[in-house]
Amino acid sequence: DADVTQTPRNRITKTGKRIMLECSQTKGHDRMYWYRQDPGLGLRLIYYSFDVKDINKGEISDGYSVSRQAQAKFSLSLESAIPNQTALYFCATSSTGGDREQYFGPGTRLTVT
Amino acid sequence: RKEVEQDPGPFNVPEGATVAFNCTYSNSASQSFFWYRQDCRKEPKLLMSVYSSGNEDGRFTAQLNRASQYISLLIRDSKLSDSATYLCVVHSGGSNYKLTFGKGTLLTVNP
Repeated sequence: DADVTQTPRNRITKTGKRIMLECSQTKGHDRMYWYRQDPGLGLRLIYYSFDVKDINKGEISDGYSVSRQAQAKFSLSLESAIPNQTALYFCATSSTGGDREQYFGPGTRLTVT
Repeated sequence: RKEVEQDPGPFNVPEGATVAFNCTYSNSASQSFFWYRQDCRKEPKLLMSVYSSGNEDGRFTAQLNRASQYISLLIRDSKLSDSATYLCVVHSGGSNYKLTFGKGTLLTVNP
């Protein structure tokens, strides 16, 4: 089984809908991250969490919110989806220590029409 | 200057070729450096960390020049399976954690 899983893997939704992307990990890592990837723009950090009680905004947090339900679970919500949130979303984890390897989930391809 | 800037690519090389990727970073306080590999429509995976003294892993060699704020990745004897996008990644260090990813350079190795 994969160490970092994301659900759903693909999602098409309409403008204005609320959507939640979920991430689970079995690596026992404290740190979890949400990124989005757009063609030509690379990976950009949305939110990150260093432990269950810690949530931090990344460089592009507007329009998104997160919840760290447990050490192993970190979900990303789009309260009111808009077309420019169409992207590939990755969850990642790492052990304590910012320079540790990040392990990525398989990604969620989200399309907002 | 962008935080992390890579060769735009794409690179198309024949099998067996040597190919080099370059990356520059703007934050002189950056502490850790990495190359990640991302296959088409897949998640990024760590290829190798980059150390000041340079490091080698089989056909892959990574170099860091702190004075020039420059990182490189050399792939020797390219294989078809090396076809992927290579991401230069920089960690700013300290309590203000941040990993910054370059946009990536696409490599296609042709038979």
